[in-house]
Amino acid sequence: EDQVTQSPEALRLQEGESSSLNCSYTVSGLRGLFWYRQDPGKGPEFLFTLYSAGEEKEKERLKATLTKKESFLHITAPKPEDSATYLCACSGGTSYGKLTFGQGTILTVHP
Amino acid sequence: KAGVTQTPRYLIKTRGQQVTLSCSPISGHRSVSWYQQTPGQGLQFLFEYFSETQRNKGNFPGRFSGRQFSNSRSEMNVSTLELGDSALYLCASSLRDRDEKLFFGSGTQLSVL
Repeated sequence: EDQVTQSPEALRLQEGESSSLNCSYTVSGLRGLFWYRQDPGKGPEFLFTLYSAGEEKEKERLKATLTKKESFLHITAPKPEDSATYLCACSGGTSYGKLTFGQGTILTVHP
Repeated sequence: KAGVTQTPRYLIKTRGQQVTLSCSPISGHRSVSWYQQTPGQGLQFLFEYFSETQRNKGNFPGRFSGRQFSNSRSEMNVSTLELGDSALYLCASSLRDRDEKLFFGSGTQLSVL
C-alpha cells in the first residue's frame, strides 16, 4: 500500500527564517510527486510536480527537490503570507488518477 | 478562466438521509476526481471519472457513488448518511486523460447530525 508521510506536523517560523518541510514516500512505481498549498476554507492549490530523483523546481520563495525516498520543500526567507498547510501527494503503479496524500505540514510565519 | 466550482458550499444533514454534491470542472477539463478530507484521515481518494466512465475507486463503502455527464460535470451521492461522513468533499479536475496535475475546488463542507 502506498504511503506518504510528512514532517513536521506543524512548523512555526519567524519572518525571514528559512526552513524545510519533508515528505517521505513508499510508492510502487512512482510516477509523480506533487506539492500543494491549502489555505483555510479553500481547496488545495497546485505548486509543483516532480517526476524523477534529482529534479528540482522553484517558484518565488519555494523550492522543491526529490530523491528516491523523499522530497523536500525549502522555504527561503518566508513571509507571513506563506502561512498555510502544505500537502505532499504521490501517484504510482497502475492506478492513474489517484493521488495518495500525506497529512500535511501546517506552516505559520510570524512577522 | 473560472476554476472548479462546487455546490453547495455548506450542507447540514441528519443520519440516514442522502446527499448529492455537484462539481463543474474547469472549462475544457475532461477528468474529474473526488476526495474526502477530514482532520483525522487527511485527503482520501473517492473516485475518478473520464468521459463519463468511472476508472478508479477508493476504499469507500458502496454508499458513496458518483457519475460524470457528457459535459464533464460530475455529481457524487452519499446514501444513508452516517456521523462519520462529516467531512470536506473536494472535487478536482485535470485537462487530459491520465493527467494527474489536479486543480481543486473549494469543496462542500458536509455536516451530519
